Amino acid sequence: NAGVTQTPKFQVLKTGQSMTLQCAQDMNHNSMYWYRQDPGMGLRLIYYSASEGTTDKGEVPNGYNVSRLNKREFSLRLESAAPSQTSVYFCASIDPGVSYNSPLHFGNGTRLTVT
Amino acid sequence: RKEVEQDPGPFNVPEGATVAFNCTYSNSASQSFFWYRQDCRKEPKLLMSVYSSGNEDGRFTAQLNRASQYISLLIRDSKLSDSATYLCVVNILFSGTYKYIFGTGTRLKVLA
Repeated sequence: NAGVTQTPKFQVLKTGQSMTLQCAQDMNHNSMYWYRQDPGMGLRLIYYSASEGTTDKGEVPNGYNVSRLNKREFSLRLESAAPSQTSVYFCASIDPGVSYNSPLHFGNGTRLTVT
Repeated sequence: RKEVEQDPGPFNVPEGATVAFNCTYSNSASQSFFWYRQDCRKEPKLLMSVYSSGNEDGRFTAQLNRASQYISLLIRDSKLSDSATYLCVVNILFSGTYKYIFGTGTRLKVLA
């Protein structure tokens, strides 16, 4: 049981390049989330998907798009990368149907540098 | 005002000491509460959920005060391995979806 898997682990982009961060979970969770973490800022929600077929903006969605491809996969796309998007990105999932007190399960993170 | 606020620290304590962290939240509709631990350059991992009646897990005790909107974490008999950043997390039901709001974390260093 792998849990939440993110790829790639590291990435360096040049300003203006595009890329997609991949996330997959094998726990049959309904809800999935993308966070970014910057020094002194904590984790901030970029986008989330309450269930397959739905996505919603979080706190910092500008410059990003997402796709909930199926129940397992939730990808984050940077169409034109900017240095301000240099960050550590975490994907997380939860099955809220179990309990409102269920905790988030995180992937290992993607460390992105935009030069 | 941030939705979830924590003292960033660092808290530098000797091995064996007792240390306490507090966290305040602004949304009175918050549903559930957690403490996560995050090691350097790693993903956050659940340390414990926080219940209204207070709960304990070994050396760790969590308390919730809904009236004052704060959460606490007490670590007794600190170990070197407790050195990490501790994240306070609040779960809010918003438009039918649970949103997890993170504090910026409190850094703990346990010294030999």
